[in-house]
Amino acid sequence: GAGVSQSPRYKVAKRGQDVALRCDPISGHVSLFWYQQALGQGPEFLTYFQNEAQLDKSGLPSDRFFAERPEGSVSTLKIQRTQQEDSAVYLCASSPDRGNTEAFFGQGTRLTVV
Amino acid sequence: QQQVKQSPQSLIVQKGGISIINCAYENTAFDYFPWYQQFPGKGPALLIAIRPDVSEKKEGRFTISFNKSAKQFSLHIMDSQPGDSATYFCAADRAQTGANNLFFGTGTRLTVIP
Repeated sequence: GAGVSQSPRYKVAKRGQDVALRCDPISGHVSLFWYQQALGQGPEFLTYFQNEAQLDKSGLPSDRFFAERPEGSVSTLKIQRTQQEDSAVYLCASSPDRGNTEAFFGQGTRLTVV
Repeated sequence: QQQVKQSPQSLIVQKGGISIINCAYENTAFDYFPWYQQFPGKGPALLIAIRPDVSEKKEGRFTISFNKSAKQFSLHIMDSQPGDSATYFCAADRAQTGANNLFFGTGTRLTVIP
């Protein structure tokens, strides 16, 4: 595709429900990142993949958050037992290689936990 | 702890005027400083970036000024236009170490009045 694609664009979850957010990076991009953006704030790093390897997950706020990229392309961010504080926009970004820091962002998934 | 501090939080500028947004950082390991532009409902998009070996970088109407000793950098938008109205984020990264964890500022909402 032409850019990073994320789905769904909007997700409403009841507290305690599990959710899965999908990211399709730009074809051929080696690096993939997940960020969390709270309302009125800058994005905050969650996790980073180089191909299928998760090299950095230091930003994941709790063990309820899990990300995978099993074939080195599409990635899924899963949040178990959602809480109200999980409400945010979840942004995915990709970049062509490990050393290239220009990250191309998707439009994000707005998660609202009620 | 906010790794990158950004000001002002909001900015209103007349069409044709100069918009100036400032950022400061503490971590001297940072060596890549991008600025991102974000429109409502969209993901951030890279606007311009600088590395600390230069003090200024200009691309069209956008200029980054970088002061390594003060650990500050700023974005200047010359001849501001209504289409520039968006939220701007500064960020910092340790690109040379291969890290890909962008630390974002809290954002500046720019409004350019026609």
